[in-house]
Amino acid sequence: GQQLNQSPQSMFIQEGEDVSMNCTSSSIFNTWLWYKQDPGEGPVLLIALYKAGELTSNGRLTAQFGITRKDSFLNISASIPSDVGIYFCAGQVETGTASKLTFGTGTRLQVTL
Amino acid sequence: EAQVTQNPRYLITVTGKKLTVTCSQNMNHEYMSWYRQDPGLGLRQIYYSMNVEVTDKGDVPEGYKVSRKEKRNFPLILESPSPNQTSLYFCASSFGGGGPDRQETQYFGPGTRLLVL
Repeated sequence: GQQLNQSPQSMFIQEGEDVSMNCTSSSIFNTWLWYKQDPGEGPVLLIALYKAGELTSNGRLTAQFGITRKDSFLNISASIPSDVGIYFCAGQVETGTASKLTFGTGTRLQVTL
Repeated sequence: EAQVTQNPRYLITVTGKKLTVTCSQNMNHEYMSWYRQDPGLGLRQIYYSMNVEVTDKGDVPEGYKVSRKEKRNFPLILESPSPNQTSLYFCASSFGGGGPDRQETQYFGPGTRLLVL
């Protein structure tokens, strides 16, 4: 199946710093999604993007749907300790009655005080 | 409280011993799905179900079976588990209708960590 290339694989940053991560694909997606997974839990949706070029914010998080529909990025501003976790991008295509979601490999974020 | 529950949360078994991981949601969602999460590979879809009695293969279906006899339940069955199925498994559900509220508003269960010896 398809795979999304997500980078970086891991990040170690200090509290207060801004974070940027991105996701690229060889295929076009109709929707881009960003999830966060806390240790020992399932992923939780952070932001959903529906149109090429769309820029959407959710508090300190900002994500963009690339113009080519093959990439997306997520920025976190002024990081705090509770931002620690694994961030996944996911691309969605709709084929007839089905809708398929493909996840990236994840970016592990560590925040130091 | 809206939630997806999985049982068991942790399981250690031996090669070849059939097992079932249950998944249940209380949100009347049509769409349910199983994923496995492995280091460096992210989440990969095993099987999904658009509605009762409607199931289809995801990206990595080999060695797994599912059934959807009721809307709320979507069990994952490993008929003859092997060590390469050692992984962290997630069940997820969402509304299955058209428009933006399809898969993206997926609610994930807490995960089942499986070790096959």
